Amino acid sequence: KNEVEQSPQNLTAQEGEFITINCSYSVGISALHWLQQHPGGGIVSLFMLSSGKKKHGRLIATINIQEKHSSLHITASHPRDSAVYICAVIGDYGGSQGNLIFGKGTKLSVKP
Amino acid sequence: EAQVTQNPRYLITVTGKKLTVTCSQNMNHEYMSWYRQDPGLGLRQIYYSMNVEVTDKGDVPEGYKVSRKEKRNFPLILESPSPNQTSLYFCASSSQQGRNEQFFGPGTRLTVL
Repeated sequence: KNEVEQSPQNLTAQEGEFITINCSYSVGISALHWLQQHPGGGIVSLFMLSSGKKKHGRLIATINIQEKHSSLHITASHPRDSAVYICAVIGDYGGSQGNLIFGKGTKLSVKP
Repeated sequence: EAQVTQNPRYLITVTGKKLTVTCSQNMNHEYMSWYRQDPGLGLRQIYYSMNVEVTDKGDVPEGYKVSRKEKRNFPLILESPSPNQTSLYFCASSSQQGRNEQFFGPGTRLTVL
C-alpha cells in the first residue's frame, strides 16, 4: 500500500467549477506539500502546511492531522489550472525522516 | 532570480556510456535532492544531501552516484547507464530538509538505448 494516496487520479472539469483534490497518508508527518507540475514538466511548490488552512489566490489547501488527510481546492477553475497536482509528505520517522514521500499525482484538465 | 538549473535538459545515450547531469542552485540552500519520475510510479528520491560533503541514499539509489563538493552544485552521475534508467530527472533544493518551500529544476529527460 502506498504511503500517500491521492484521489482522483484524473479529473476533468468545466471552466468555473469548484475543484477538490484529496490526499490521504498513512505515516506520521511533520508537514505536507502541494506541488503543481505543468504540462511542460516543470514543478512548482504551491503550499507547505502542517496544520489548518492556507490560501493563495484561487487555491486553498487544508490539512487534518488527526485524520491524516489534506485537500487542495481550486475555486473558479480556469483552463490554465490544467496540470498534475502532487501531494508530498515529510515523514517524521525512521531513516527517511525529513525526506519527501510523494503521491502519484492528480491530472486535472479544465475545459473552456 | 532564485532558481535551480539542470543540464542537459534532454539526453539520449547508449548503455554503458558514463554521463553526468549537473544541478546548480543560487539560493545558498543546504538541502539538495535528486528525484526520478516514471509513469505510474510518481516521483521517487534517488539521493539527497544535507550540506557540503554530506550525502545519503534515497529510495532508489542503485546505479547512481552523487557528490556535494560545493554548496551550490549537486551532480548526478550514472557510471554505466542502463535502459531502466530512462526517466525524467529532477533536482530540487530547499533551505531546510523538507520543511521549507522546495525549488525544483526544470527536469532532464534521459533516454538510454
